[in-house]
Amino acid sequence: AQKVTQAQTEISVVEKEDVTLDCVYETRDTTYYLFWYKQPPSGELVFLIRRNSFDEQNEISGRYSWNFQKSTSSFNFTITASQVVDSAVYFCALSTGTASKLTFGTGTRLQVTL
Amino acid sequence: EAQVTQNPRYLITVTGKKLTVTCSQNMNHEYMSWYRQDPGLGLRQIYYSMNVEVTDKGDVPEGYKVSRKEKRNFPLILESPSPNQTSLYFCASSFVKFTEAFFGQGTRLTVV
Repeated sequence: AQKVTQAQTEISVVEKEDVTLDCVYETRDTTYYLFWYKQPPSGELVFLIRRNSFDEQNEISGRYSWNFQKSTSSFNFTITASQVVDSAVYFCALSTGTASKLTFGTGTRLQVTL
Repeated sequence: EAQVTQNPRYLITVTGKKLTVTCSQNMNHEYMSWYRQDPGLGLRQIYYSMNVEVTDKGDVPEGYKVSRKEKRNFPLILESPSPNQTSLYFCASSFVKFTEAFFGQGTRLTVV
């Protein structure tokens, strides 16, 4: 069975600080995909990134970066120079198996204040 | 505009009164699914469908039914809602398995 753990329930930072959201996953499958989604206060779920299990390259997109380490089963998400608009709940998710089920972590609520 | 549309957005109902939450996607996606979001539990999959007439249970299927008669529609049916089904529900679709999921706007259901 697969599992995603986001140990940080809530994080508060001051604008312009860097912040890292942790994600640890468990699966016995060798082929799997990892995702991050953002849920702003308005409630919708916004796709941020997808990474497959064979691609351990880190990725940077503007102020966002992702660090995928198979050795520690982690897929951490860093926001550089955080902004108030980054305030949201962030979900890490794992997709694997014939059914391609998305298994979500419990989410990390990020609060960025001025 | 590519989107997943859920209706209604908000619903308050009484225990035992059958209801349907509709979900429609205009992206010709094969894969559709339903999730419920509860505080502290993240999103949990209720049912999924890999194609027309093909549906299967997710992690929390009890008390729910689905059908997939057309590719674009995937309604969620609560035959006899109970208060423990009060939750925020999301429909999602993706082109094929393992690809990015597009989510509807959510349906906040309250069962009293």
